[in-house]
Amino acid sequence: KAGVTQTPRYLIKTRGQQVTLSCSPISGHRSVSWYQQTPGQGLQFLFEYFSETQRNKGNFPGRFSGRQFSNSRSEMNVSTLELGDSALYLCASSFGQGALNYGYTFGSGTRLTVV
Amino acid sequence: TQLLEQSPQFLSIQEGENLTVYCNSSSVFSSLQWYRQEPGEGPVLLVTVVTGGEVKKLKRLTFQFGDARKDSSLHITAAQPGDTGLYLCAGVNTNAGKSTFGDGTTLTVKP
Repeated sequence: KAGVTQTPRYLIKTRGQQVTLSCSPISGHRSVSWYQQTPGQGLQFLFEYFSETQRNKGNFPGRFSGRQFSNSRSEMNVSTLELGDSALYLCASSFGQGALNYGYTFGSGTRLTVV
Repeated sequence: TQLLEQSPQFLSIQEGENLTVYCNSSSVFSSLQWYRQEPGEGPVLLVTVVTGGEVKKLKRLTFQFGDARKDSSLHITAAQPGDTGLYLCAGVNTNAGKSTFGDGTTLTVKP
């Protein structure tokens, strides 16, 4: 069965631009979560979507947003990019949501570099 | 804010040695997961523990969930170079419905 697919794998953007990242979860998984990973901060939770609704949100500014479509595919958007947004963005899908999450399947991530 | 503290942060050992990685918190979790991540890739789920005191074995890896469901450990017997990677624990909080990740333990096993 196909894994979690994230596109693109690599992205270079200029400060002030915006970016959209895409994630296709494992078939049958309705929960999609997004994480930001940096060497200094580790894995930081951005948000979780289930059945097209945002169920949880991390402590990130409003420049970070996301959405989920009826086929469970998800996108996240970052507007007005800052140098500090450079990171590996990971998408994770799971069968259960919230407290019923018994394990994520992660994609390979999108490496975003802001210059 | 819940915190999951992992120790040690870095570990470098010779092939064949044993090691233990710890994951501690003051919060109670409904379940706890361990992942391994290799450079340039996403984390891969190794195990999920749910019951306090639970012990799970995966070949040379032994995972334990504390009785109070606040801490966990990962023990590797006779480590091999293929075990090299970043080991992450993640706790799921029942009330918040969120998963919190520890900062990870970077393991290097030298041949």
